[in-house]
Amino acid sequence: EVQLVESGGGLVKPGGSLRLSCAASGFTFSSYSMNWVRQAPGKGLEWVSSISSSSSYIYYADSVKGRFTISRDNAKNSLYLQMNSLRAEDTAVYYCARRETYYDSSGYEVVWFDPWGQGTLVTVSS
Amino acid sequence: DIQLTQSPSFLSASVGDRVTITCRASQGISSYLAWYQQKPGKAPKLLIYAASTLQSGVPSRFSGSGSGTEFTLTISSLQPEDFATYYCQQLNSYLPTFGGGTKVEIK
Repeated sequence: EVQLVESGGGLVKPGGSLRLSCAASGFTFSSYSMNWVRQAPGKGLEWVSSISSSSSYIYYADSVKGRFTISRDNAKNSLYLQMNSLRAEDTAVYYCARRETYYDSSGYEVVWFDPWGQGTLVTVSS
Repeated sequence: DIQLTQSPSFLSASVGDRVTITCRASQGISSYLAWYQQKPGKAPKLLIYAASTLQSGVPSRFSGSGSGTEFTLTISSLQPEDFATYYCQQLNSYLPTFGGGTKVEIK
């Protein structure tokens, strides 16, 4: 069974740091790009960051650029998100999600996110 | 960044109703759009990718259409388990974005 399990969430003070982990199982982790997506309480989904299978390509949302660092350890089938200089507005459930892809008849890459983990809650408050 | 606008943001419907949700992109994204369903306290679940391809295991009452800047998700006959929030997502660029969501509630 393909599974993603996040951990590492919790309560942290503004300005503090936290490291999230996402453990993957049931598929060849090293073959897939991965993503972090977050959801503030009662709000919609916000893409946070992505990393390619070999860590060669990394992207961030403007809202976290310079504060968050995505990384992965393919030997441990794990994805990470190091979050520094945390703010109240970073309070959210953080999900990891696998990037699925295929190339269509025009040669363009079709992408979607599946599966998603169950999420881990990060609360930034004094 | 590409913006996605979903409408309506809230929808009240009865079991058996036909429901249509619209997602408009701020610029053309070909067919690089996915739809997700999210129930309270749960992770999003993929319904449709490439604008109209039904994910394996998803009931055929769900369908997607559109290309360019306008897309629709249709539920042909709403079932009790379909009451949830639905999100569109564009994947035309390396910076994916989501629509604001449409909450479908029981009338």
